[in-house]
Amino acid sequence: AQKVTQAQTEISVVEKEDVTLDCVYETRDTTYYLFWYKQPPSGELVFLIRRNSFDEQNEISGRYSWNFQKSTSSFNFTITASQVVDSAVYFCALSDQRNAGNMLTFGGGTRLMVKP
Amino acid sequence: DTEVTQTPKHLVMGMTNKKSLKCEQHMGHRAMYWYKQKAKKPPELMFVYSYEKLSINESVPSRFSPECPNSSLLNLHLHALQPEDSALYLCASSQEGQLPDEQYFGPGTRLTVT
Repeated sequence: AQKVTQAQTEISVVEKEDVTLDCVYETRDTTYYLFWYKQPPSGELVFLIRRNSFDEQNEISGRYSWNFQKSTSSFNFTITASQVVDSAVYFCALSDQRNAGNMLTFGGGTRLMVKP
Repeated sequence: DTEVTQTPKHLVMGMTNKKSLKCEQHMGHRAMYWYKQKAKKPPELMFVYSYEKLSINESVPSRFSPECPNSSLLNLHLHALQPEDSALYLCASSQEGQLPDEQYFGPGTRLTVT
């Protein structure tokens, strides 16, 4: 069965620090998709990135970067020069061929608190 | 327009009440979802509609009844709920539902059952 583990339940940093959120996944399939979502206090989940299992290139988008390593089944997320507005709960999620294409398995989430 | 709207934002209902949650999207998406999220937990999938047909029901109790009147609207009818059903109910949509497309979420309805 597929599983997503976010071992860090809460992280607290001071503004401008870099922070990495860990995500480890388990799946038996060779084709799968990984996602990161942000959930600010307002409640809605905001899509950040989707990565398929055949694309191991790391990605950078502004202050955000993602490190996908199939060898360790990890898809970690780094925020550079964190800001107070980055405070939120971040969810890593997995979708694989074992599910219908539109079912996500979420990790437990990491609450990030960025202090001024 | 990449917005999913949900009404109401907050709802308090008694265990004998009947109420409905509403969700709307105008992105032309053909898959729509209902999730339930308890405090400090990830969202749990309840229902998926694909092309206006119910494609996934995650063994949800019958006191929750989904409805998809058209491709833009999704309702969740509530009847005889229990206090443990109090949660944030999130609606989402995605392009077609056959592939793991990114899902766009609404702000949720915070439901309290008294």
